[in-house]
Amino acid sequence: RKEVEQDPGPFNVPEGATVAFNCTYSNSASQSFFWYRQDCRKEPKLLMSVYSSGNEDGRFTAQLNRASQYISLLIRDSKLSDSATYLCVVNDESNYQLIWGAGTKLIIKP
Amino acid sequence: DVKVTQSSRYLVKRTGEKVFLECVQDMDHENMFWYRQDPGLGLRLIYFSYDVKMKEKGDIPEGYSVSREKKERFSLILESASTNQTSMYLCASSLAITYEQYFGPGTRLTVT
Repeated sequence: RKEVEQDPGPFNVPEGATVAFNCTYSNSASQSFFWYRQDCRKEPKLLMSVYSSGNEDGRFTAQLNRASQYISLLIRDSKLSDSATYLCVVNDESNYQLIWGAGTKLIIKP
Repeated sequence: DVKVTQSSRYLVKRTGEKVFLECVQDMDHENMFWYRQDPGLGLRLIYFSYDVKMKEKGDIPEGYSVSREKKERFSLILESASTNQTSMYLCASSLAITYEQYFGPGTRLTVT
């Protein structure tokens, strides 16, 4: 079975700190990778795509390690508003479906 | 702005009732999806559709059916609701040949 594994957390982090979390995926043929953000009792929203070369969007950096089959998300200078659950998502290459991790809960404390 | 709407935010039904969950998107997306989300589990795909009148089973289709009579509307039907179908139901849509999915606000269904 194709899977995406994440540490459920919660990660309790002081405001202003840097936090990073990873997810691992089992399907070596996957080509597309994403991080979604889900606030409490809300729907998931795309945070960023993860490219082979890595990508950065403001305080957020995503990296892909194909050899070890993991994806990472780094958040610098964390804000209270970053508190959310971060979902790691990988494509199923046989169709246009996505395989979802269960999420990592992040709590930023003042 | 991208918009996916779902017919209800909260729903309480009795065991054995037939339940209809409706989803509408205004983005002219070809693909539409129904997921359920339970604590500690990732989103699990129930059914998806790539086109009008077309449907495909996802990972957990048992106890559910779907209907897509118009491009913008995708309905999920619980033929006879059971307590183990108590969950958050999320509808999503995407363009053909892309993976980025846009979600509705979800329907929290409780079956008693």
